[in-house]
Amino acid sequence: DAGVIQSPRHEVTEMGQEVTLRCKPISGHNSLFWYRQTMMRGLELLIYFNNNVPIDDSGMPEDRFSAKMPNASFSTLKIQPSEPRDSAVYFCASILGQNEAFFGQGTRLTVV
Amino acid sequence: KNQVEQSPQSLIILEGKNCTLQCNYTVSPFSNLRWYKQDTGRGPVSLTIMTFSENTKSNGRYTATLDADTKQSSLHITASQLSDSASYICVVSDSGGYNKLIFGAGTRLAVHP
Repeated sequence: DAGVIQSPRHEVTEMGQEVTLRCKPISGHNSLFWYRQTMMRGLELLIYFNNNVPIDDSGMPEDRFSAKMPNASFSTLKIQPSEPRDSAVYFCASILGQNEAFFGQGTRLTVV
Repeated sequence: KNQVEQSPQSLIILEGKNCTLQCNYTVSPFSNLRWYKQDTGRGPVSLTIMTFSENTKSNGRYTATLDADTKQSSLHITASQLSDSASYICVVSDSGGYNKLIFGAGTRLAVHP
């Protein structure tokens, strides 16, 4: 397996534009997490899914953020409209049960 | 409130020296505790996972300890190498049924020659 795959690796967009981040979890994993990482706040859990169902989205900062997991092999995190304070590295991770969580390489988002 | 706190925030050591990183948590109910290493610009990579009944686990030069009574964990790095320079993140999973991972802020380690 190629691991957790995120795209794009880098995204630069103008304030107000819609941004969509994508994640392909490891096949067979039943939980998927979206995190945001900044120097100031470290890793913050945004939302996580179990068996494609959103379990806890309390970390989603505002209504501008939304996440979907239409099937077990794909998830998206969308920001609309984007703002400069959304600039961060966004990580996706997948896990099977209580086993090791595997992280993608992250998407570095810059909103100018 | 479930929290994971790490210390020190940052650390500089010389190559070849040992160091110990600390993690205190208040997560309940507790399922397991993990230590991750994150190199700059990359995603975190798992070093160890310990359940309630385990009090020590090693992975090469990394040794993690867990005291579930005091809710403390440590990560000891032996004979540090330049490649150990990274952020080390303590992560606690609750046992609420959905494997929620609660992250500490990390310790940024720099190993100098």
